[in-house]
Amino acid sequence: AQSVTQPDIHITVSEGASLELRCNYSYGATPYLFWYVQSPGQGLQLLLKYFSGDTLVQGIKGFEAEFKRSQSSFNLRKPSVHWSDAAEYFCAVGVGTGGFKTIFGAGTRLFVKA
Amino acid sequence: GAGVSQSPSNKVTEKGKDVELRCDPISGHTALYWYRQSLGQGLEFLIYFQGNSAPDKSGLPSDRFSAERTGGSVSTLTIQRTQQEDSAVYLCASSLAVVSAGELFFGEGSRLTVL
Repeated sequence: AQSVTQPDIHITVSEGASLELRCNYSYGATPYLFWYVQSPGQGLQLLLKYFSGDTLVQGIKGFEAEFKRSQSSFNLRKPSVHWSDAAEYFCAVGVGTGGFKTIFGAGTRLFVKA
Repeated sequence: GAGVSQSPSNKVTEKGKDVELRCDPISGHTALYWYRQSLGQGLEFLIYFQGNSAPDKSGLPSDRFSAERTGGSVSTLTIQRTQQEDSAVYLCASSLAVVSAGELFFGEGSRLTVL
């Protein structure tokens, strides 16, 4: 069955430090991969997506993610975290014909300390 | 409209009552999704529509849950005989994609509390 695993329920980093959020997926075909962010009191917003081509994708707010097929991973990174990045981050995979069914991971809550 | 609109934003109901949650997607978006987000949980896929048809209803938790979409636009999620475990935020999203998966645009959700 298709699934998305985010092994870290929450992560705390210092402002200015680098960040990596882990995501592993289980899907037999080439996946469509996404990262969304849900800030407090706001709806989910797409950070970046991978469909094909270059395995390192750039997103908004200085985020990037790398698709590694051999590891079934799509980890999210940011070189320097800002306090405003504190939010919940969801990895997602689009499955099925055309990738229409989007399945989300359980999310990782990011805390940023001064 | 400019974004995905959901109503009501908050609903408190008594156990055993029926509730209807409405989603008005972004104009022109052919795909529409319903998710459930419980406290401390991720997004649980419920159902998605491509036009008016629902190719995948596998996420509906029980036969008390149903959804319809008419005119390729507004969708209604109905929960019959609500139970306390139905308490959650119900999120709707729409997508412009026709051929392949695209960005989902989410509404702000309908928070359901079953007493």
